[in-house]
Amino acid sequence: AQSVTQLDSQVPVFEEAPVELRCNYSSSVSVYLFWYVQYPNQGLQLLLKYLSGSTLVKGINGFEAEFNKSQTSFHLRKPSVHISDTAEYFCAVSDRGNTGKLIFGQGTTLQVKP
Amino acid sequence: DADVTQTPRNRITKTGKRIMLECSQTKGHDRMYWYRQDPGLGLRLIYYSFDVKDINKGEISDGYSVSRQAQAKFSLSLESAIPNQTALYFCATSDPGVDTQYFGPGTRLTVL
Repeated sequence: AQSVTQLDSQVPVFEEAPVELRCNYSSSVSVYLFWYVQYPNQGLQLLLKYLSGSTLVKGINGFEAEFNKSQTSFHLRKPSVHISDTAEYFCAVSDRGNTGKLIFGQGTTLQVKP
Repeated sequence: DADVTQTPRNRITKTGKRIMLECSQTKGHDRMYWYRQDPGLGLRLIYYSFDVKDINKGEISDGYSVSRQAQAKFSLSLESAIPNQTALYFCATSDPGVDTQYFGPGTRLTVL
């Protein structure tokens, strides 16, 4: 079984500052890792994913994440945030295609202030 | 047009009523999923389906049932709605092999 923990429920940050949203997971098998974003009153859309290969993954809107197998982490970063990045962010893991099920973390609300 | 659509987008109902939420997709995916989202809990899987004849329970299936009418359609039913089923419900489809899921816009359900 897998589980995901997002260490911060809310992250306030000023515009143009860097941000890191933290995600740790636990699993007895190899996993795929995902970050999804949910803008207000919308569904979830994929930001980025790690399947294999390079541990640094680049996604849309300037976001990137680094897979750290020894620390079982997949933290999301952006060097300079914009007001439009205000949203809820979800980290998720899957069991590498066996069932395709995603296990989600609790979510982190990123609040970008002017 | 959206690849994954959900109807209705908003619904208010009363305790004990039967409710059906519908999901349609044009992505041609075999795998479809129903989740509910509650504040502070993230998304939790209710049911998932690999094809029309293969339906599986997720982690919180009690009080819910599903129907896969066709490859493109997956419906979620609440047989007798109760207030703690008030939530945001999402349908998703997945790209087999890489597990990327594509979500609908959600249905906000309120049970009074």
